[in-house]
Amino acid sequence: GQQVMQIPQYQHVQEGEDFTTYCNSSTTLSNIQWYKQRPGGHPVFLIQLVKSGEVKKQKRLTFQFGEAKKNSSLHITATQTTDVGTYFCAGRGRAGNNRKLIWGLGTSLAVNP
Amino acid sequence: EAEVAQSPRYKITEKSQAVAFWCDPISGHATLYWYRQILGQGPELLVQFQDESVVDDSQLPKDRFSAERLKGVDSTLKIQPAELGDSAMYLCASSLPPVGLAALYEQYFGPGTRLTVT
Repeated sequence: GQQVMQIPQYQHVQEGEDFTTYCNSSTTLSNIQWYKQRPGGHPVFLIQLVKSGEVKKQKRLTFQFGEAKKNSSLHITATQTTDVGTYFCAGRGRAGNNRKLIWGLGTSLAVNP
Repeated sequence: EAEVAQSPRYKITEKSQAVAFWCDPISGHATLYWYRQILGQGPELLVQFQDESVVDDSQLPKDRFSAERLKGVDSTLKIQPAELGDSAMYLCASSLPPVGLAALYEQYFGPGTRLTVT
């Protein structure tokens, strides 16, 4: 069945360094969402990407959707301690039973001040 | 700002006992989701409702789990009997209903219920 893989599983950076997490789907997606979950908290929606090759920016965060709509990335420029948390991608398939939202396992980001 | 409400926030129960969780979605959100999240993993969809109807319960262990949303508003998730492996965070989320292939509205999550089975 449809799978969504995220790498890396963990990332430890110094404050000010950049961070990137990658999301790869076994099948072509109709769209993909990104969520952030702070330690002890619940997932909070960040963004949705729909179009092939789409790039969206939110301040220091840059989101990309691959041309084939099978992969996506989240890049954070100059990380801050407030960026700590787990970042999840969740992809929606294109047809039938694959149209449910499938979540990746997340990338946990730790930032040293 | 409207929020998804869940109760209780924490629940400790002994194995073989029954346990129930309640969720009140954001007003106007026809779609309601129950997720289970094991520590260190991503949310796993248990059941999805569209109004009062179940849209997807393919991952719900139906021998012990049940979910209902009788009036299409709030929802209850029940486990009977609870097993040690059920210890996890149970998250409820709501959203506007999806429109076609492109639009899938963002999900708003509640604070969750942390279940510990002893």
